[in-house]
Order: sequence, then C-alpha cells, then structure tokens
Amino acid sequence: AQKITQTQPGMFVQEKEAVTLDCTYDTSDPSYGLFWYKQPSSGEMIFLIYQGSYDQQNATEGRYSLNFQKARKSANLVISASQLGDSAMYFCAMRDRSTQGGSEKLVFGKGTKLTVNP
Amino acid sequence: DSGVTQTPKHLITATGQRVTLRCSPRSGDLSVYWYQQSLDQGLQFLIQYYNGEERAKGNILERFSAQQFPDLHSELNLSSLELGDSALYFCASSFPIGGASTDTQYFGPGTRLTVL
Repeated sequence: AQKITQTQPGMFVQEKEAVTLDCTYDTSDPSYGLFWYKQPSSGEMIFLIYQGSYDQQNATEGRYSLNFQKARKSANLVISASQLGDSAMYFCAMRDRSTQGGSEKLVFGKGTKLTVNP
Repeated sequence: DSGVTQTPKHLITATGQRVTLRCSPRSGDLSVYWYQQSLDQGLQFLIQYYNGEERAKGNILERFSAQQFPDLHSELNLSSLELGDSALYFCASSFPIGGASTDTQYFGPGTRLTVL
C-alpha cells in the first residue's frame, strides 16, 4: 500500500521568507503522481501543484515549487516569498492506483500547519 | 473556485438519523470521489464513481452508501448516524471527457456534519 509521511506537524516562517514543507512517500508502483493541497481555516481543499513520477523537471506553479528527489522518495513543497495568506494546513498526497478497476484515489499525509508571521 | 459544488455546507443532526450529502462535479468531469476528514483519522477515501458506476471503495462503512446519477452529480447517504461520524465530507472530481485518469482531483468546499 502506498504511504505518505509528513513529519512536521507545524512550521513557522517570517513573511517574505521561503519555507520548505517535507513529504516522503512509499510506493512499489513505478508510475505515480504526487500532489500538494492547501487547506485554509475556512476548510476548503485547494490544489497547488502536481509532480508525475516520470517528469524530468521539478514542477513549479508561481511561488510554489516541488523539490522532487525520486531516489530519496521525497517531494518537498517550497513556498517562496511567504505571505500572511499562506497560513494554512498543507497536505501531501499520492495517487494510489488501485489494483481494482483503475481507481485513482488519493492517499494523504497528516498535514503540516504553516504559520506565517508578520 | 474549483468548480465542484457541495450542499449543504453545514449539517447538524442527531444520532440515529439519516442524511444525504450532494455533490456536483466540475463540468465535464466523469469521476467523483468522496473523502472524509476527521481529527483522529485524517483524510480518508470513501468511494469513487466513474460515469455512473462504482469504481472503488475505501474505508466506507456499511451504513454509508453513494450513487452517481446520469447527470453525473453524486449523493452520499449516511444512515444510523453515530457521534463518530461527525466530520468534514469532501467531494472531488476529475477525469474530464477526453482527458486522462491521471488528471488532478479538484475538491468541493466540503459539508461539515455534526452529529449530536
């Protein structure tokens, strides 16, 4: 079974600084996808960034980048120039390709609570 | 706005009752997923439908059931509710017509269920 581990329950960063949120994964599937989602205090789950296992380049989306190290099985999220609005829970997830009928459900880590200080 | 809608936003009910949560996927998405988020269990996959048919089941209790209708909207039915069913229930959609099963899942705003 696939597993996602986020070892940082909480992280603090100063406004305008960069921060790295850690994510390690475990899978025996050679083809997989890794996602990061943001959950503000209002509760919604917002998609941030995606990395495919065969992608040669690290994914980037605006201030978000994914530091993908396949050999280490890590997919860390880097947020540059932090803003107060970045304060939220961040979840790393992996697409779990079920052996039954091709389901593409997501397996989530426990999340990291990021607080951006002014 | 992800394009996925869920109703109601909040639901408060008593133990033993039955409720129905509704989800409309993004326009054109064929797959709907239901997830439960609770403090002790985190985010857990419940069930997936693809174009009206059940595709996969996760940690879904027998008291829970779901379906996807011809217009692709989905409903999650929770019955004989217990205190432990209190959670945030998310619907997500993906797999647009002509797209790939590897497409991103976009989440709705969630339904917060409180069982008293």
